[in-house]
Amino acid sequence: GAVVSQHPSWVICKSGTSVKIECRSLDFQATTMFWYRQFPKQSLMLMATSNEGSKATYEQGVEKDKFLINHASLTLSTLTVTSAHPEDSSFYICSASSEGGSGELFFGEGSRLTVL
Amino acid sequence: GQSLEQPSEVTAVEGAIVQINCTYQTSGFYGLSWYQQHDGGAPTFLSYNALDGLEETGRFSSFLSRSDSYGYLLLQELQMKDSASYFCAVMDSSYKLIFGSGTRLLVRP
Repeated sequence: GAVVSQHPSWVICKSGTSVKIECRSLDFQATTMFWYRQFPKQSLMLMATSNEGSKATYEQGVEKDKFLINHASLTLSTLTVTSAHPEDSSFYICSASSEGGSGELFFGEGSRLTVL
Repeated sequence: GQSLEQPSEVTAVEGAIVQINCTYQTSGFYGLSWYQQHDGGAPTFLSYNALDGLEETGRFSSFLSRSDSYGYLLLQELQMKDSASYFCAVMDSSYKLIFGSGTRLLVRP
């Protein structure tokens, strides 16, 4: 199957700093990528849809000025958590689908963010 | 609103069969998927049903009834490594994948 790579896997930062997470589709072009957040023992909550060459579409309740998403190329989307606070500590996962709408999303390995 | 309901936890013994149900209510429907997630890992795709009926893939099968807004994942010949969380997910009219709350499966020896 298709491969999606996410970096970094783990990041610890101080409160008030910004953190960038990268998501790359390694062997296919992804016009659309999705960013999810998952708190411990909870489900994956869709944060935003990242569209190549245009602005991201955010889900209700997600602050677009806090979670900056950039999809500059067909293989790279980035999520920047600005002015991070301890409550932003979570598992952030990106995903992408290849063409065909088979219902399968390919997920990155996830990035575990801990804000001190 | 959109909602997917599935049991929070299921326990079964090795070698047994377990069924995880999922009912959904979403704006638009393009199919029901199932994902497996081990602790600390990313979700991995198990199956996808766009049409009614049963799809079989090895020890795992998935069923869909669109008229009942219902589906299930059937796991046969359970193994210890099947202990994980299982999520049903619906692709809505915007082609976004919306996840259920997840079912934690514990397989005992």
